[in-house]
Amino acid sequence: QSALTQPASVSGSPGQSITISCTGTSSDVGSYNLVSWYQQHPGKAPKLMIYEGSKRPSGVSNRFSGSKSGNTASLTISGLQAEDEADYYCCSYAGSSTLRVFGGGTKLTVL
Amino acid sequence: QVQLVESGGGLVKPGGSLRLSCAASGFTFSDYYMSWIRQAPGKGLEWVSYISSSSSYTNYADSVKGRFTISRDNAKNSLYLQMNSLRAEDTAVYYCATEICSSTSCYYDYWGQGTLVTVSS
Repeated sequence: QSALTQPASVSGSPGQSITISCTGTSSDVGSYNLVSWYQQHPGKAPKLMIYEGSKRPSGVSNRFSGSKSGNTASLTISGLQAEDEADYYCCSYAGSSTLRVFGGGTKLTVL
Repeated sequence: QVQLVESGGGLVKPGGSLRLSCAASGFTFSDYYMSWIRQAPGKGLEWVSYISSSSSYTNYADSVKGRFTISRDNAKNSLYLQMNSLRAEDTAVYYCATEICSSTSCYYDYWGQGTLVTVSS
Protein backbone atom coordinates (compact mmCIF):
# COMPACT_ATOMS: atom_id res chain seq x y z
CA GLN A 1 0.00 0.00 0.00
CA SER A 2 2.24 2.82 -1.25
CA ALA A 3 1.13 6.35 -0.50
CA LEU A 4 -0.01 8.51 -3.38
CA THR A 5 2.63 11.06 -4.45
CA GLN A 6 2.01 14.74 -3.74
CA PRO A 7 4.46 17.65 -3.87
CA ALA A 8 5.71 18.46 -0.37
CA SER A 9 4.89 22.13 -0.75
CA VAL A 10 3.35 24.69 -3.05
CA SER A 11 2.94 28.42 -2.63
CA GLY A 12 1.09 31.30 -4.20
CA SER A 13 0.15 34.89 -3.62
CA PRO A 14 -3.34 36.06 -2.66
CA GLY A 15 -5.62 36.07 -5.68
CA GLN A 16 -3.51 33.63 -7.66
CA SER A 17 -4.37 30.04 -8.56
CA ILE A 18 -2.41 26.96 -7.57
CA THR A 19 -2.68 23.29 -8.42
CA ILE A 20 -1.72 20.36 -6.22
CA SER A 21 -1.09 17.05 -7.96
CA CYS A 22 -1.71 13.56 -6.64
CA THR A 23 -0.01 10.81 -8.63
CA GLY A 24 -0.81 7.15 -8.22
CA THR A 25 -0.77 4.04 -10.36
CA SER A 26 -3.11 2.16 -12.63
CA SER A 27 -4.26 0.28 -9.50
CA ASP A 28 -5.59 3.34 -7.70
CA VAL A 29 -5.87 6.84 -9.19
CA GLY A 30 -5.38 5.60 -12.75
CA SER A 31 -8.18 3.09 -12.60
CA TYR A 32 -11.84 3.99 -12.43
CA ASN A 33 -11.32 5.30 -8.91
CA LEU A 34 -12.17 8.89 -8.08
CA VAL A 35 -10.07 10.85 -5.60
CA SER A 36 -11.15 12.85 -2.56
CA TRP A 37 -9.28 15.84 -1.16
CA TYR A 38 -8.94 17.05 2.43
CA GLN A 39 -7.79 20.30 4.00
CA GLN A 40 -6.13 20.28 7.40
CA HIS A 41 -5.21 23.33 9.45
CA PRO A 42 -2.61 22.90 12.23
CA GLY A 43 -4.02 21.09 15.23
CA LYS A 44 -7.37 20.50 13.54
CA ALA A 45 -9.12 17.49 12.05
CA PRO A 46 -9.10 17.13 8.27
CA LYS A 47 -12.03 18.57 6.31
CA LEU A 48 -13.48 17.12 3.12
CA MET A 49 -13.05 19.58 0.24
CA ILE A 50 -13.61 17.47 -2.91
CA TYR A 51 -15.17 14.03 -3.35
CA GLU A 52 -15.72 11.73 -6.31
CA GLY A 53 -12.96 13.53 -8.16
CA SER A 54 -14.65 16.89 -8.69
CA LYS A 55 -17.70 17.32 -6.43
CA ARG A 56 -17.79 19.89 -3.62
CA PRO A 57 -19.60 19.27 -0.34
CA SER A 58 -22.12 21.85 0.72
CA GLY A 59 -20.37 24.85 2.21
CA VAL A 60 -17.07 24.42 0.39
CA SER A 61 -16.12 27.41 -1.75
CA ASN A 62 -16.34 27.04 -5.53
CA ARG A 63 -12.74 28.30 -5.60
CA PHE A 64 -11.83 24.65 -4.98
CA SER A 65 -12.03 22.27 -7.93
CA GLY A 66 -10.82 18.76 -8.74
CA SER A 67 -9.84 16.97 -11.92
CA LYS A 68 -8.01 13.88 -13.15
CA SER A 69 -5.84 12.89 -16.08
CA GLY A 70 -4.45 9.39 -16.35
CA ASN A 71 -2.76 8.40 -13.09
CA THR A 72 -2.77 11.94 -11.72
CA ALA A 73 -5.54 13.77 -9.90
CA SER A 74 -5.35 17.49 -9.23
CA LEU A 75 -6.79 20.01 -6.80
CA THR A 76 -6.95 23.60 -8.02
CA ILE A 77 -7.55 26.53 -5.72
CA SER A 78 -8.35 29.79 -7.46
CA GLY A 79 -8.37 33.26 -5.95
CA LEU A 80 -6.04 32.21 -3.14
CA GLN A 81 -6.92 33.57 0.29
CA ALA A 82 -4.90 33.61 3.49
CA GLU A 83 -7.22 31.07 5.11
CA ASP A 84 -6.40 28.54 2.39
CA GLU A 85 -2.96 28.10 3.96
CA ALA A 86 -3.08 24.52 5.23
CA ASP A 87 -2.03 20.96 4.46
CA TYR A 88 -3.90 19.15 1.69
CA TYR A 89 -4.26 15.40 1.24
CA CYS A 90 -5.66 13.25 -1.54
CA CYS A 91 -7.19 9.82 -0.97
CA SER A 92 -8.16 6.95 -3.23
CA TYR A 93 -9.22 3.36 -3.25
CA ALA A 94 -6.24 1.08 -3.70
CA GLY A 95 -5.94 -2.31 -5.28
CA SER A 96 -9.21 -4.22 -5.23
CA SER A 97 -11.12 -1.34 -3.66
CA THR A 98 -10.95 -3.02 -0.28
CA LEU A 99 -8.08 -0.76 0.75
CA ARG A 100 -7.67 2.98 0.94
CA VAL A 101 -4.54 5.09 0.49
CA PHE A 102 -3.71 8.71 1.22
CA GLY A 103 -1.21 10.97 -0.43
CA GLY A 104 1.78 12.17 1.55
CA GLY A 105 0.30 15.66 1.89
CA THR A 106 1.11 19.09 0.48
CA LYS A 107 1.74 22.20 2.55
CA LEU A 108 0.21 25.24 0.89
CA THR A 109 1.76 28.57 1.80
CA VAL A 110 -0.03 31.79 0.89
CA LEU A 111 2.71 34.38 0.47
CA GLN B 1 -25.35 18.12 14.06
CA VAL B 2 -22.95 15.27 13.36
CA GLN B 3 -20.52 14.63 16.18
CA LEU B 4 -17.75 12.06 16.49
CA VAL B 5 -15.88 11.97 19.79
CA GLU B 6 -12.86 9.72 20.20
CA SER B 7 -11.56 8.57 23.56
CA GLY B 8 -9.22 6.00 25.06
CA GLY B 9 -5.88 7.37 23.92
CA GLY B 10 -2.91 7.68 26.23
CA LEU B 11 0.60 6.52 27.00
CA VAL B 12 1.31 2.80 26.68
CA LYS B 13 4.51 0.76 26.71
CA PRO B 14 5.72 -1.12 23.63
CA GLY B 15 3.94 -4.46 23.43
CA GLY B 16 0.98 -3.12 25.35
CA SER B 17 -2.67 -2.79 24.40
CA LEU B 18 -5.18 0.02 24.17
CA ARG B 19 -8.84 0.26 23.13
CA LEU B 20 -10.06 3.38 21.38
CA SER B 21 -13.72 4.38 21.27
CA CYS B 22 -15.61 6.76 19.03
CA ALA B 23 -19.04 7.96 20.14
CA ALA B 24 -21.28 9.06 17.28
CA SER B 25 -24.33 11.33 17.33
CA GLY B 26 -26.42 13.46 15.01
CA PHE B 27 -26.81 10.87 12.25
CA THR B 28 -27.98 7.30 11.72
CA PHE B 29 -24.80 5.53 12.75
CA SER B 30 -25.96 2.12 11.57
CA ASP B 31 -26.22 3.37 7.99
CA TYR B 32 -22.56 4.28 7.66
CA TYR B 33 -19.28 2.55 7.04
CA MET B 34 -16.71 3.85 9.54
CA SER B 35 -12.95 4.13 9.42
CA TRP B 36 -10.00 4.81 11.67
CA ILE B 37 -7.32 7.06 10.22
CA ARG B 38 -4.15 8.04 12.04
CA GLN B 39 -1.53 10.76 11.83
CA ALA B 40 1.91 10.39 13.38
CA PRO B 41 3.38 13.60 14.84
CA GLY B 42 4.41 15.90 12.00
CA LYS B 43 3.45 13.30 9.39
CA GLY B 44 0.64 12.69 6.92
CA LEU B 45 -2.63 10.82 7.16
CA GLU B 46 -2.62 7.03 7.10
CA TRP B 47 -5.76 4.93 6.67
CA VAL B 48 -5.84 2.21 9.35
CA SER B 49 -9.06 0.22 9.06
CA TYR B 50 -12.70 0.28 7.99
CA ILE B 51 -15.84 -1.57 9.00
CA SER B 52 -19.08 -1.87 7.08
CA SER B 53 -22.37 -0.65 8.47
CA SER B 54 -23.44 -4.09 9.70
CA SER B 55 -19.92 -5.25 10.63
CA SER B 56 -19.95 -7.77 7.78
CA TYR B 57 -16.79 -6.38 6.20
CA THR B 58 -13.58 -5.13 7.73
CA ASN B 59 -10.12 -4.52 6.40
CA TYR B 60 -6.82 -3.24 7.66
CA ALA B 61 -3.66 -1.54 6.46
CA ASP B 62 -0.72 -3.94 6.24
CA SER B 63 1.02 -1.98 9.00
CA VAL B 64 -1.60 -2.99 11.59
CA LYS B 65 -3.02 -6.25 10.22
CA GLY B 66 -3.02 -8.98 12.85
CA ARG B 67 -2.52 -6.50 15.70
CA PHE B 68 -5.55 -4.18 15.49
CA THR B 69 -9.24 -5.11 15.47
CA ILE B 70 -12.04 -2.78 14.46
CA SER B 71 -15.57 -3.29 15.76
CA ARG B 72 -18.79 -1.39 16.30
CA ASP B 73 -21.94 -1.47 18.40
CA ASN B 74 -24.79 0.06 16.44
CA ALA B 75 -27.08 -0.06 19.48
CA LYS B 76 -24.62 2.18 21.32
CA ASN B 77 -23.67 4.32 18.28
CA SER B 78 -20.06 3.47 18.97
CA LEU B 79 -16.97 2.46 17.02
CA TYR B 80 -13.95 0.77 18.55
CA LEU B 81 -10.34 -0.02 17.75
CA GLN B 82 -8.60 -2.68 19.82
CA MET B 83 -4.85 -2.19 19.47
CA ASN B 84 -2.52 -4.96 20.63
CA SER B 85 1.24 -5.48 20.41
CA LEU B 86 1.72 -1.75 20.11
CA ARG B 87 4.94 -0.39 18.64
CA ALA B 88 6.62 3.00 18.78
CA GLU B 89 5.59 3.58 15.17
CA ASP B 90 1.92 3.34 16.19
CA THR B 91 2.31 6.67 18.01
CA ALA B 92 -0.20 8.99 16.36
CA VAL B 93 -3.42 10.90 16.65
CA TYR B 94 -6.21 8.47 15.78
CA TYR B 95 -9.29 9.86 14.05
CA CYS B 96 -12.59 8.13 13.47
CA ALA B 97 -14.48 9.17 10.36
CA THR B 98 -17.68 8.36 8.54
CA GLU B 99 -17.01 6.72 5.22
CA ILE B 100 -19.14 6.89 2.09
CA CYS B 101 -18.23 4.43 -0.64
CA SER B 102 -19.39 3.59 -4.12
CA SER B 103 -17.95 1.45 -6.87
CA THR B 104 -15.70 4.30 -7.94
CA SER B 105 -14.85 6.24 -4.81
CA CYS B 106 -14.62 6.33 -1.09
CA TYR B 107 -14.46 9.46 1.02
CA TYR B 108 -14.68 10.67 4.59
CA ASP B 109 -17.25 13.36 5.18
CA TYR B 110 -17.18 13.71 8.97
CA TRP B 111 -14.19 13.42 11.28
CA GLY B 112 -13.71 13.42 15.03
CA GLN B 113 -11.13 15.61 16.72
CA GLY B 114 -8.81 12.68 17.35
CA THR B 115 -7.23 10.97 20.33
CA LEU B 116 -3.48 10.76 20.86
CA VAL B 117 -1.82 7.40 21.35
CA THR B 118 1.79 7.45 22.52
CA VAL B 119 3.78 4.22 22.60
CA SER B 120 6.92 4.66 24.64
CA SER B 121 8.82 3.01 27.44
